[in-house]
Amino acid sequence: GQQLNQSPQSMFIQEGEDVSMNCTSSSIFNTWLWYKQDPGEGPVLLIALYKAGELTSNGRLTAQFGITRKDSFLNISASIPSDVGIYFCAGQLRNYQLIWGAGTKLIIKP
Amino acid sequence: NAGVTQTPKFQVLKTGQSMTLQCAQDMNHEYMSWYRQDPGMGLRLIHYSVGAGITDQGEVPNGYNVSRSTTEDFPLRLLSAAPSQTSVYFCASSYSSGAKIARAFFGQGTRLTVV
Repeated sequence: GQQLNQSPQSMFIQEGEDVSMNCTSSSIFNTWLWYKQDPGEGPVLLIALYKAGELTSNGRLTAQFGITRKDSFLNISASIPSDVGIYFCAGQLRNYQLIWGAGTKLIIKP
Repeated sequence: NAGVTQTPKFQVLKTGQSMTLQCAQDMNHEYMSWYRQDPGMGLRLIHYSVGAGITDQGEVPNGYNVSRSTTEDFPLRLLSAAPSQTSVYFCASSYSSGAKIARAFFGQGTRLTVV
């Protein structure tokens, strides 16, 4: 089946640091989505990307849809404690199905 | 705003038992789907529906059935529970708007343990 490679698997960072994570695929997607999941909750959409090359921001979050349509990255600037959680990328196929990465767990060092 | 509502939140089943996980959305979304989430893995699609009366299989459909008799409801049935079905299950609903493809809204999940 189709797969997304999401990296890194986990990140330990200091509060205030910038964070970067990415997803790559062997398949082309029409849409890239970035979600965040808090413990005991369902994923919540952070950013949606609809065009190759698109760069979109949501507060301290910035995401880009790769030119090849096979990759995307998410940056978080000046991390704060509430950024802790698991971040997922998802690529959307033409039939609307989502293919998910395995997630990046963000942990802030005390 | 209710959004996507899943019940129950927690369930323990014995091997071989059957049960139905409920999912309801009040946003009039066309698309609904069921995922399972296992530790260290992304969400995997079990079944999905593009509208009332239409369902299709996702990546991991074996052992599960779905139906979509109304736009609002999309129940997931476990026919004969197995320990391998221990997981967290998420229901999602989506809409599309012109050329923009659907964005999914998720329920809070059902944590299922099969013993």
